[in-house]
Order: sequence, then C-alpha cells, then structure tokens
Amino acid sequence: DGGITQSPKYLFRKEGQNVTLSCEQNLNHDAMYWYRQDPGQGLRLIYYSQIVNDFQKGDIAEGYSVSREKKESFPLTVTSAQKNPTAFYLCASTPRRAGGIGELFFGEGSRLTVL
Amino acid sequence: DQQVKQNSPSLSVQEGRISILNCDYTNSMFDYFLWYKKYPAEGPTFLISISSIKDKNEDGRFTVFLNKSAKHLSLHIVPSQPGDSAVYFCAASAQGAQKLVFGQGTRLTINP
Repeated sequence: DGGITQSPKYLFRKEGQNVTLSCEQNLNHDAMYWYRQDPGQGLRLIYYSQIVNDFQKGDIAEGYSVSREKKESFPLTVTSAQKNPTAFYLCASTPRRAGGIGELFFGEGSRLTVL
Repeated sequence: DQQVKQNSPSLSVQEGRISILNCDYTNSMFDYFLWYKKYPAEGPTFLISISSIKDKNEDGRFTVFLNKSAKHLSLHIVPSQPGDSAVYFCAASAQGAQKLVFGQGTRLTINP
C-alpha cells in the first residue's frame, strides 16, 4: 500500500545526543516536509524539500538538520543544539504543483522524549 | 506572528448536534484553506478544503465556509458523532507557496 512510514514511533534519548528520525514515502511525491507538534502550538514547520538534493528551512529549523539524497527519503536529525527536543514529529509529502501546495499526506508520527 | 489562529482550544458538543469550529487568518495572500483531523499519537488526516474563489464547500457531514472580508473560515459538522472527537487543525497557503501554515488546533469532544 502507498503511504508514508515514520520510524521509530517512540524514541527515548539522553540529553546531548543527536537522534535521527526516518521518513520514507512510496507515493512518488516530490515534496516532503517535517513538522513538530507541541501542545497548544499546532504544527510548526521545521524543514521542507521540493526536490532531491535541495531543502529549505522552515519556521523553527534551529537545532535540526535534514538530507534529501533520494526522492523517497527525508530523514530528520535532532541535534544537541535543539534546546527543547521533546515533541511529536510529523513527516508529510505532497505532489509538487505549479499553482502552489495542495493537500499534505502525513505519516503516523514519531514521539521523541529526551531524558 | 501567528498567521492562522484557532482561538478555541477546546469545544464540547452533544452527539447529533452541530459542531462549529472556527479559524481566523491575517495574511491576505492566503487563497487555499484546509481542515485536518488528528487523533492522539497519529498523523493528521485531510478532511476538506476550500479555494478563495468559493465561499462554501460541502462533503457529506462536513461543510467549510469562507468569509474573505472577515478573514475567517469555519468547519461545520452535522450531525456530530462520537468518532468526530479529535483535534482539528485549519491550515492555509498562499498562491505559489510550497508550504502550509497551521493553526494551533481545537480539541472537539462529542458527548453521548
């Protein structure tokens, strides 16, 4: 079945450690996104990529890094520079459209807890 | 700067009645609006959208209304069902933009 797979679903890490969250899609979508959800703050955009080997910072990119070496994959690394990394992370994708973004398709999310 | 605002963090509605969720935006360049539904520990799922050339769009029990002059949109759910209990996010994008801006979400609880 086509969809977006995020792993792991739950992740615990010690403070100061880098962690990488995986996002894979088999929808043949060009554009991929990482959002972060915190209680009462909605979904905030971390990074997005419209094409392989290219990505742009979102609204809260500090302390995060991404890569887009393959169309299907868009991993997110939460570095030790991220001051408050405990959150629910959501990956999404969408076909690229000339007129602007359409519907985003989301994965199931990854909950990161930093101890 | 919160460009998309959902001012009600929570809403409680009796089963069978109408649920009305509201969303305001500040960016006049937004021309496409979407509503998503999210259950705990899951990703959001798309519900319904509306383009700025329309003022209403219906899909089954869900209707979205857009008031461009007031920069306001609302989602109506009729009749409300227990499975509608979830967090609802509105989102917006501008012409040619490649990202969505989300509101803070409203937690809807449907009481039996």
